[in-house]
Amino acid sequence: DADVTQTPRNRITKTGKRIMLECSQTKGHDRMYWYRQDPGLGLRLIYYSFDVKDINKGEISDGYSVSRQAQAKFSLSLESAIPNQTALYFCATSMGSSTWGETQYFGPGTRLLVL
Amino acid sequence: DAKTTQPPSMDCAEGRAANLPCNHSTISGNEYVYWYRQIHSQGPQYIIHGLKNNETNEMASLIITEDRKSSTLILPHATLRDTAVYYCIVRVDNAGNMLTFGGGTRLMVKP
Repeated sequence: DADVTQTPRNRITKTGKRIMLECSQTKGHDRMYWYRQDPGLGLRLIYYSFDVKDINKGEISDGYSVSRQAQAKFSLSLESAIPNQTALYFCATSMGSSTWGETQYFGPGTRLLVL
Repeated sequence: DAKTTQPPSMDCAEGRAANLPCNHSTISGNEYVYWYRQIHSQGPQYIIHGLKNNETNEMASLIITEDRKSSTLILPHATLRDTAVYYCIVRVDNAGNMLTFGGGTRLMVKP
């Protein structure tokens, strides 16, 4: 079973709709991240969370919100989707207390198309 | 985090070793070198990381020069499934924020 799962894996929605992408992890990590990737480009950080009570904006947080419902769950919401939010979205986790670097582990991604 | 420079693409014959170079001449003493790869639109996959010494795991070996200004990822026996974009990332321990993925090296393993 995958350690980091994302649902849905694919989603088509219309402009103006609210949608939620969900991420769950069984790695026991305290830190979770949401990234987006546009075709041919690298990953950009949207939001990150160090623990359940900690939420931080990343590089491109406008138009997005997040919720850390539990240590193992981190959801990303698009309040009113727009076409330029069409992208591949990845969730990642890491252990903040690691003594040997801090490796991030990624989920399989959610492909979102906003029409 | 220090900037890294990688060749945009490389080819490797199946079964041969793939040696992927990375320059990070501005690396600081507390920055680790990480390698990830991304196989066509899948989630980035962690491969290996190191600080000063060479490292080896079941996937690859990481060779870091003595001055730490460059490193090489070695896939000892490349297979077709190793075809991917490989990213070299330099970052501070427990930075707790984003990984900065540059352009990476697109490795094509050929039969």
